[in-house]
Amino acid sequence: DVKVTQSSRYLVKRTGEKVFLECVQDMDHENMFWYRQDPGLGLRLIYFSYDVKMKEKGDIPEGYSVSREKKERFSLILESASTNQTSMYLCASIGANVLTFGAGSRLTVL
Amino acid sequence: KQEVTQIPAALSVPEGENLVLNCSFTDSAIYNLQWFRQDPGKGLTSLLLIQSSQREQTSGRLNASLDKSSGRSTLYIAASQPGDSATYLCAVDNFNKFYFGSGTKLNVKP
Repeated sequence: DVKVTQSSRYLVKRTGEKVFLECVQDMDHENMFWYRQDPGLGLRLIYFSYDVKMKEKGDIPEGYSVSREKKERFSLILESASTNQTSMYLCASIGANVLTFGAGSRLTVL
Repeated sequence: KQEVTQIPAALSVPEGENLVLNCSFTDSAIYNLQWFRQDPGKGLTSLLLIQSSQREQTSGRLNASLDKSSGRSTLYIAASQPGDSATYLCAVDNFNKFYFGSGTKLNVKP
């Protein structure tokens, strides 16, 4: 089975801090995604990557950046965290048309 | 832009009932459709993938159907159990751009 691992399940950060959310997949998938999920708003795409060092903005990229230095790892970076970035962050990769998600990272920004 | 709607938003049934969850989408030019389950505070778990050329897929007590021309998919759960309680989401794949419904929250009462 494909495994997508998000290293942090719960994080609490202060406004203005730089935050790194890490995601690793073990199936050599080319395409990886970062979403955020908020009540009433559903899942919204932040960024996706279709290859190493390649990235595309999703629907809500403002305030975020990403890094894909190795195929298996896709990192989401909040350069200066704000309270409106408190959310559940979900990483996913796709192979054989099946989208596989990690367990999620619940981020609280105080 | 693709819009995905899931009805009902919430459903409560007694254990043992057969039930149907609905997913509708506005643009029929889809690549495939995937059903997910999400437990509280967790990531999404893939249940079934239906390719655009398929009409249905089955896995255990779950059966998903797809009617592209009418923009509809249904997830049928047979003999529901309390362990089926979760939120069920459908996602439409418009060629690696995914659109998610807001989910149906299912509660199966013992």
